[in-house]
Amino acid sequence: EVQMLESGGGSVQPGGSLRLSCAASGFTFSNYGMAWVRQAPGKGLEWVSAISGSGANTIYTDSVKGRFTVSRDNSANTLYLQMNSLRAEDTAVYYCAKDQWIRETTIITPDYWGQGTLVTVSS
Amino acid sequence: QAVVTQEPSLTVSPGGTVTLTCGSTTGAVTSGHYPFWFQQKPGQAPRALIYDTSSKHSWTPARFSGSLLGGKAALTLSGAQPEDEAEYYCLLSYGGAFTVFGGGTQLTVL
Repeated sequence: EVQMLESGGGSVQPGGSLRLSCAASGFTFSNYGMAWVRQAPGKGLEWVSAISGSGANTIYTDSVKGRFTVSRDNSANTLYLQMNSLRAEDTAVYYCAKDQWIRETTIITPDYWGQGTLVTVSS
Repeated sequence: QAVVTQEPSLTVSPGGTVTLTCGSTTGAVTSGHYPFWFQQKPGQAPRALIYDTSSKHSWTPARFSGSLLGGKAALTLSGAQPEDEAEYYCLLSYGGAFTVFGGGTQLTVL
């Protein structure tokens, strides 16, 4: 059974940092691209970042470039999102999502999603 | 960047049929956009329903179907159940760095 469990969310002041983790199980983690998608309170879904299965390729949405870093540890079946210089507009539930297909790509079409972790940026 | 359009809200009667659509500001939606559909209930993560226009996941209820209709992607719910009340998002691929989510349709079963 595919499972993904996010952790690391919480409350932080503007300018602060958080590191999100997504522990995956039930599939060969290194075979799949992974992504972070966020959802601000009462809003829709927004891509944040994606990483290919090998970890060699990454992409970011413009609003987080230079502040967020996505990475993965395939030996530990874990996806990470290091978030620095956080802003109020980063407040959201952050989901990790798995690509549906076995391919080396950052273009993610998700089939499974984690349950999400809430990040609140406020003074 | 392309904008993916969806009806903000729709209402269907229990047992009724409703079609949600997914359009693109760049023109007609085709199978080459590989339309995806997700369902999200309050407080829950999104759940994939349809991929590649009309293919279903193993967990997708039979009452949901996907198609192309009038230049848009469509999600049809036949025989709506109370548990189908949710937000529905479509996702289109444009060959760029990211696929693009629509703004979502709030479906009420009433």
